[in-house]
Amino acid sequence: DVKVTQSSRYLVKRTGEKVFLECVQDMDHENMFWYRQDPGLGLRLIYFSYDVKMKEKGDIPEGYSVSREKKERFSLILESASTNQTSMYLCASRPTQGIWTQHFGDGTRLSIL
Amino acid sequence: SQQGEEDPQALSIQEGENATMNCSYKTSINNLQWYRQNSGRGLVHLILIRSNEREKHSGRLRVTLDTSKKSSSLLITASRAADTASYFCAHPRETSYDKVIFGPGTSLSVIP
Repeated sequence: DVKVTQSSRYLVKRTGEKVFLECVQDMDHENMFWYRQDPGLGLRLIYFSYDVKMKEKGDIPEGYSVSREKKERFSLILESASTNQTSMYLCASRPTQGIWTQHFGDGTRLSIL
Repeated sequence: SQQGEEDPQALSIQEGENATMNCSYKTSINNLQWYRQNSGRGLVHLILIRSNEREKHSGRLRVTLDTSKKSSSLLITASRAADTASYFCAHPRETSYDKVIFGPGTSLSVIP
């Protein structure tokens, strides 16, 4: 069965810290995504990766960067965490060919104090 | 913004009743997907309908698509308390089919 695993369900960090959110998929999917989800705003795309070391900015990339050194792993980095980055972060993956549907991890609820 | 809308934003029904959620979108699409999200969890894909399909069924789910009106609906029949969740429609972006746009979602509460 398809599995996308996010390293932490809950995370609390302080303003100014560098924060790493990790996501691993076991399906050999080329495409991976990072979203943030906020009440009333739905899911917003932060970054998208279509292959190892390849990335594209999404709708709200400011304050974030990503790393994809291996096909199965996609990391989201908050360079200097701020309180307005408190949110639910969701990772997803899908193959390039065939089915369009995305497979999601369970999310990381990040609080920046 | 390419994001469409879903209505209602919230829906509360009794167990056994049917639940209907609607989704509107703004661009041309080749497919539309519905996802479900239980509280505090990730999204789970429910059903995909292609632009050349008008209706699709999966168990107690029925999805319709009207491309002339740029709208879709998700019907859950004989609802159960376990159907309590948020439901999102999503479609590929017109400018980049690799990425999708998610609607704001409908929060469904099914009361036992």
